[in-house]
Amino acid sequence: DAKTTQPTSMDCAEGRAANLPCNHSTISGNEYVYWYRQIHSQGPQYIIHGLKNNETNEMASLIITEDRKSSTLILPHATLRDTAVYYCIVRVLSVVGRGGATNKLIFGTGTLLAVQP
Amino acid sequence: DAGITQSPRYKITETGRQVTLMCHQTWSHSYMFWYRQDLGHGLRLIYYSAAADITDKGEVPDGYVVSRSKTENFPLTLESATRSQTSVYFCASTNGGFATEAFFGQGTRLTVV
Repeated sequence: DAKTTQPTSMDCAEGRAANLPCNHSTISGNEYVYWYRQIHSQGPQYIIHGLKNNETNEMASLIITEDRKSSTLILPHATLRDTAVYYCIVRVLSVVGRGGATNKLIFGTGTLLAVQP
Repeated sequence: DAGITQSPRYKITETGRQVTLMCHQTWSHSYMFWYRQDLGHGLRLIYYSAAADITDKGEVPDGYVVSRSKTENFPLTLESATRSQTSVYFCASTNGGFATEAFFGQGTRLTVV
């Protein structure tokens, strides 16, 4: 399974952009990069995903390098409510049961983003 | 209400007891997952299911049993609970495919004494 590497923790000033890096050097050509976050004691929340093009939605932007070996999640204007653990995940394809295929979300340890007032 | 719900939210059980954690989703999603999260760790995949009657092991399946007789339900059973299974358990579901997001339940905090 493709693995991801993220810094353990990061700080960001409120109102500034938060840039969270992720390395996934063993990613396969058909594997997507997903980002989730987990606010204390809650279930993980989907943020964004991408294959090779940069993506943007109402929450964040995702920048994927051309070789796809790394990516950066950008929160353009961080707020205190963005304090959470951010997980970078590579969606893994595998065969299950009667020859069907499925894909798993394998979480790493994530980055604790602390937004400071 | 639409969504994914777990029950119970909190459970205390004794070592050696059997306990079942329930997960129910209303979207008819094909895929469902069970994770555990221990203090200071990320989420680790226990079991997952691609459809009714199709299940497979994840990273840490030992000591757990799952079933999926109906698409909307994916119960997780600890056959003989141990203290090492004290954890927060999260269930998730997704419609499948590479480009779909997974939705997580609110978690079940299980304590084995």
